[in-house]
Amino acid sequence: EIVLTQSPGTLSLSPGERATLSCRASQSVSSSYLAWYQQKPGQAPRLLIYGASSRATGIPDRFSGSGSGTDFTLTISRLEPEDFAVYYCQQYLAFGGGTKVEIK
Amino acid sequence: QVQLVQSGAEVKKPGASVKVSCKASGYTFTSYYMHWVRQAPGQGLEWMGIINPSGGSTSYAQKFQGRVTMTRDTSTSTVYMELSSLRSEDTAVYYCARDIVVVPAAPSNWFDPWGQGTLVTVSS
Repeated sequence: EIVLTQSPGTLSLSPGERATLSCRASQSVSSSYLAWYQQKPGQAPRLLIYGASSRATGIPDRFSGSGSGTDFTLTISRLEPEDFAVYYCQQYLAFGGGTKVEIK
Repeated sequence: QVQLVQSGAEVKKPGASVKVSCKASGYTFTSYYMHWVRQAPGQGLEWMGIINPSGGSTSYAQKFQGRVTMTRDTSTSTVYMELSSLRSEDTAVYYCARDIVVVPAAPSNWFDPWGQGTLVTVSS
């Protein structure tokens, strides 16, 4: 069973700053199956990135995904006010515990 | 546009069953797999299972085997998730979520879009 560990648990940043979120898998996985979701309070998750680096429909290009093997990264190049949320990585049918991006 | 609209909140007693519906619109219902994912209060996401709306075949997470049943009604473009023998730990928001891959290709297990969620509270 794959375990996904996300870090940090909370990231405190200001609008306009760069956010770097990490997702580490307990065993090497195919990058083809790595996805990232955004969830805002009281809302359903939204698919941001699939296949490790492909943006879902309608996702702004400030969101980018990278990585391979056991280490994957979601980068938000310049935080907008609407980007403050919780982010989950997913591999196959397992989810990480989430990283909360909060306003500093 | 593609929409998944779920049934309303439920309150159940331990040992009871709950059936949550998810009505799809804006696309060909039988062309996309549907998943169910739940989220306990303040917790992360947990995959429960998948249904192929075309033929009705299902696959469930081992944790829920024997307690969960997923069905579909093609005449109303609706999928259902029934969870039995409810316990307090089943208190969660239950989401339906469409796979991004078209049947009959193998499901991608990437979910987009999601329903709005249905809160199921299990309490005596």
